[in-house]
Amino acid sequence: AQSVAQPEDQVNVAEGNPLTVKCTYSVSGNPYLFWYVQYPNRGLQFLLKYITGDNLVKGSYGFEAEFNKSQTSFHLKKPSALVSDSALYFCAVRDRTGANNLFFGTGTRLTVIP
Amino acid sequence: DGGITQSPKYLFRKEGQNVTLSCEQNLNHDAMYWYRQDPGQGLRLIYYSQIVNDFQKGDIAEGYSVSREKKESFPLTVTSAQKNPTAFYLCASSEGRNEKLFFGSGTQLSVL
Repeated sequence: AQSVAQPEDQVNVAEGNPLTVKCTYSVSGNPYLFWYVQYPNRGLQFLLKYITGDNLVKGSYGFEAEFNKSQTSFHLKKPSALVSDSALYFCAVRDRTGANNLFFGTGTRLTVIP
Repeated sequence: DGGITQSPKYLFRKEGQNVTLSCEQNLNHDAMYWYRQDPGQGLRLIYYSQIVNDFQKGDIAEGYSVSREKKESFPLTVTSAQKNPTAFYLCASSEGRNEKLFFGSGTQLSVL
């Protein structure tokens, strides 16, 4: 069965510092991995995805994520946080079988402190 | 502008009533999805449709129904059988199964 864990409900970071939002997954075989961001009372916006190839994936707004197969992780990172990065972040995974479902984590609320 | 439009933004349901949430997209995407978002639980898939006139149940389909008569439209009906309907409902679409999802702005459904 597929699953995604975001172990931190809340992450606080000072503006200008690097940020990390953690995600680990469980899936049969190789996964498709995604990060989405949600601003208050809005739908989710796509940030980046890992399908195959380079383990370091670069996405929107300066975010990147590293696929680590041995640790089954896909942590989201940014070198220098902005106050405008404050939002709810979701990791999602899909396996490569015929199943269509995209499993989402429970979300991590990022607060960037000025 | 291309995108997904959900309406209404806020919806109130009386006990025993069916309500329908609208979702329209002009992205020419084949696949469309309905998710339910509850605080602390992430998003859970209600129904999805890969093509017109076809749809499949997701993880929490009980108490919900959908139709896909047109490519651009995927309405969700919350029936009276859904005993805990209060949630934020998100519609999404994608070009293909492994492509990114485009989300609407959501509908907040509450029970009177």
